[in-house]
Amino acid sequence: DTEVTQTPKHLVMGMTNKKSLKCEQHMGHRAMYWYKQKAKKPPELMFVYSYEKLSINESVPSRFSPECPNSSLLNLHLHALQPEDSALYLCASSQDRAGNEQFFGPGTRLTVL
Amino acid sequence: EDQVTQSPEALRLQEGESSSLNCSYTVSGLRGLFWYRQDPGKGPEFLFTLYSAGEEKEKERLKATLTKKESFLHITAPKPEDSATYLCAVQALSGANSKLTFGKGITLSVRP
Repeated sequence: DTEVTQTPKHLVMGMTNKKSLKCEQHMGHRAMYWYKQKAKKPPELMFVYSYEKLSINESVPSRFSPECPNSSLLNLHLHALQPEDSALYLCASSQDRAGNEQFFGPGTRLTVL
Repeated sequence: EDQVTQSPEALRLQEGESSSLNCSYTVSGLRGLFWYRQDPGKGPEFLFTLYSAGEEKEKERLKATLTKKESFLHITAPKPEDSATYLCAVQALSGANSKLTFGKGITLSVRP
């Protein structure tokens, strides 16, 4: 099974709301990632978790807060977002950090009003 | 700094008309080169990993090749369902060794 699942598929939120995106994989992968993708652009890395510890934060604003409760789950908590944060948010996982293909989920389409 | 350039930006083919997509890269040391397919509004779908020059991989109508400077994704007798954006990414040996550097992608349209 090479599936990464993400919920919700779509999310509309106001600038004062707090919401969370969820990601799950059952492939036994030990690295998990959050990416942001704008229309007609490639994915941009936001965060990397390796063995449930945050290992890379690509200078992401604090209104995005990642969490890795266990080796299968990855959350992205959202608070006080701006309209320019509207994008497709992608979760991915890989066997570990080094040299292994990353498998992506279907994404959450986020709209900030 | 690692760089990936994909060309052309867009490609329109007639069904059955074979062609190649190019991915040129510069990286301090290549750990791996990855090809993905992405349909609109969906997450990228993994296609191939290539690790060393001369390596080739095939899957159905797709064949990926790698040299020291570039990779090609050859599409043989494409069908309309092959229409998608194809992304190339590299991972370097040094630095943050899980980070992928993506190209901007090639949008392929196959007309019936």
